[in-house]
Amino acid sequence: AQKITQTQPGMFVQEKEAVTLDCTYDTSDPSYGLFWYKQPSSGEMIFLIYQGSYDQQNATEGRYSLNFQKARKSANLVISASQLGDSAMYFCAVGPSGSARQLTFGSGTQLTVLP
Amino acid sequence: GAVVSQHPSWVICKSGTSVKIECRSLDFQATTMFWYRQFPKQSLMLMATSNEGSKATYEQGVEKDKFLINHASLTLSTLTVTSAHPEDSSFYICSAPPVLAGGNEQFFGPGTRLTVL
Repeated sequence: AQKITQTQPGMFVQEKEAVTLDCTYDTSDPSYGLFWYKQPSSGEMIFLIYQGSYDQQNATEGRYSLNFQKARKSANLVISASQLGDSAMYFCAVGPSGSARQLTFGSGTQLTVLP
Repeated sequence: GAVVSQHPSWVICKSGTSVKIECRSLDFQATTMFWYRQFPKQSLMLMATSNEGSKATYEQGVEKDKFLINHASLTLSTLTVTSAHPEDSSFYICSAPPVLAGGNEQFFGPGTRLTVL
């Protein structure tokens, strides 16, 4: 069984500042992957970043970085230099390792970037 | 990168009718696809796993006779909502696994917004 908890229903950040979106997870899989997706009002799911459970280093993709703390089962997303276009819903998800992954999503965090 | 398309992007239908939603992988083959449902202001919930050449696997609580899934080819999976009712109104979105072995990105279609009157 897998579970994702996102405790921040909404977050505000000033443009150009950094923001951290929290995510904790629980999974019975010995090997798993953690994902972050961005969902704007259009509904499309935009892949942001991935962290494998056995990856030694925290994942980074441009302005996105994942603060992975395995012992705490935490996979927080850090967005640096926020932009107005970052305003959207952000979902954390967990899935088993392997090529075919069904994902379990958290409840999401609505991020609003203020000018 | 790999692209997953869905058709239609939105549909409005009368209660009691059936609606078919298509999910296509445009430039790669997908033996497995996943169907999710998202109610307003809620998260995505996995409904079923679509398998090419075999029966779909449904998550607990999802009626397989109501949500018919057919994985007709390596690039097409369809979800048919039979005898739709207003409570079936939702955002339906499909996804396909990474294209390359060892790849990490799970590709999602743009979604289909279903409104049942």
